[in-house]
Amino acid sequence: GENVEQHPSTLSVQEGDSAVIKCTYSDSASNYFPWYKQELGKGPQLIIDIRSNVGEKKDQRIAVTLNKTAKHFSLHITETQPEDSAVYFCAAPYSGGGADGLTFGKGTHLIIQP
Amino acid sequence: DSGVTQTPKHLITATGQRVTLRCSPRSGDLSVYWYQQSLDQGLQFLIQYYNGEERAKGNILERFSAQQFPDLHSELNLSSLELGDSALYFCASSGLATYNEQFFGPGTRLTVL
Repeated sequence: GENVEQHPSTLSVQEGDSAVIKCTYSDSASNYFPWYKQELGKGPQLIIDIRSNVGEKKDQRIAVTLNKTAKHFSLHITETQPEDSAVYFCAAPYSGGGADGLTFGKGTHLIIQP
Repeated sequence: DSGVTQTPKHLITATGQRVTLRCSPRSGDLSVYWYQQSLDQGLQFLIQYYNGEERAKGNILERFSAQQFPDLHSELNLSSLELGDSALYFCASSGLATYNEQFFGPGTRLTVL
């Protein structure tokens, strides 16, 4: 199955600054890359995703970039706010190009300092 | 609120016992996925059902099984429970048109004593 590595495990930024979280994947057949945000005591919430036919996607303060050649993708959050504090997970299809479950990275604990 | 519901919210049981976790997908979604989240293993894909049929298997133990019923709700059965099975269990759902876009429920926290 797919293997997803995520860095850093903890990221502390000042409110208003940008945050970047990076992930790499192993299966070149993977074609879908979602990002989830998980707050304490809640289930993961899909915040943005990108498919392999595009290089970048933006939604307000959140953007995701994909480099298929290097097999890595990144989440960018600009103008961070206290409510952005959470654990963020990247993911890729469990069996590469299949429409099945997801393999998740280990997560990044994002801390927004006031 | 994702529209995916899970019951119960918490479950405490003893080693060797069997439990059943229940999930109702978002209205119209045909696929249900089960995941386990623990400190050791992170968030792991267990199994997927699509319209009543098993579609894909992940890291699911032989002691665990699942099914999806005609009304599309799903149950995850965990048997011969061990201390290491203590974890959060999430259900997610997706529709045919939203290929891979999975929406997670609030989870069931299982504690095995």
